[in-house]
Amino acid sequence: GENVEQHPSTLSVQEGDSAVIKCTYSDSASNYFPWYKQELGKGPQLIIDIRSNVGEKKDQRIAVTLNKTAKHFSLHITETQPEDSAVYFCAARAGNQFYFGTGTSLTVIP
Amino acid sequence: DADVTQTPRNRITKTGKRIMLECSQTKGHDRMYWYRQDPGLGLRLIYYSFDVKDINKGEISDGYSVSRQAQAKFSLSLESAIPNQTALYFCATSERTGVQYFGPGTRLTVL
Repeated sequence: GENVEQHPSTLSVQEGDSAVIKCTYSDSASNYFPWYKQELGKGPQLIIDIRSNVGEKKDQRIAVTLNKTAKHFSLHITETQPEDSAVYFCAARAGNQFYFGTGTSLTVIP
Repeated sequence: DADVTQTPRNRITKTGKRIMLECSQTKGHDRMYWYRQDPGLGLRLIYYSFDVKDINKGEISDGYSVSRQAQAKFSLSLESAIPNQTALYFCATSERTGVQYFGPGTRLTVL
């Protein structure tokens, strides 16, 4: 099956700085890559996604890039704010199943 | 997301007991999923269903069973709970495009 690796596991940044989280996947047939934000005590919530026919997607302060050749995709958060503090998960869809990374705990220091 | 509800939110049980976790959705989606979340392991797929008559095993289905009672309802059962099934369980629904919407989770502790 698909294997998704996510780095780093923890990340601390100063408010206003950028944060980057990276994921790699193993199955070249994977075609959909969502990113989720999980706040304490809540379920994951989709923040951005990208499909395999697109190299980059941006939504305000959040962007995702995809390199199909290298099988990696990254989440970029600019101008970080304290409310960005949460656990972030990447995922890849292979066939009908979703495979998740192990999560990155992001702390934004005011 | 209030459109996906899970009951109970917390449950403590003993080894060997049968447990059912329930999920309901009002989003009108055909596709529903059950995931398990463990610290440091992310989310792992247990079962998924694309309509009432469709049930599929996920990555870690051993020790679990499911029932899709209606388009809006998808239940997860642990026939004989064991301590290593202690985890946070999430139900999710999705459109065919793949965008998933997760419930608030059920924290299960097996003593």
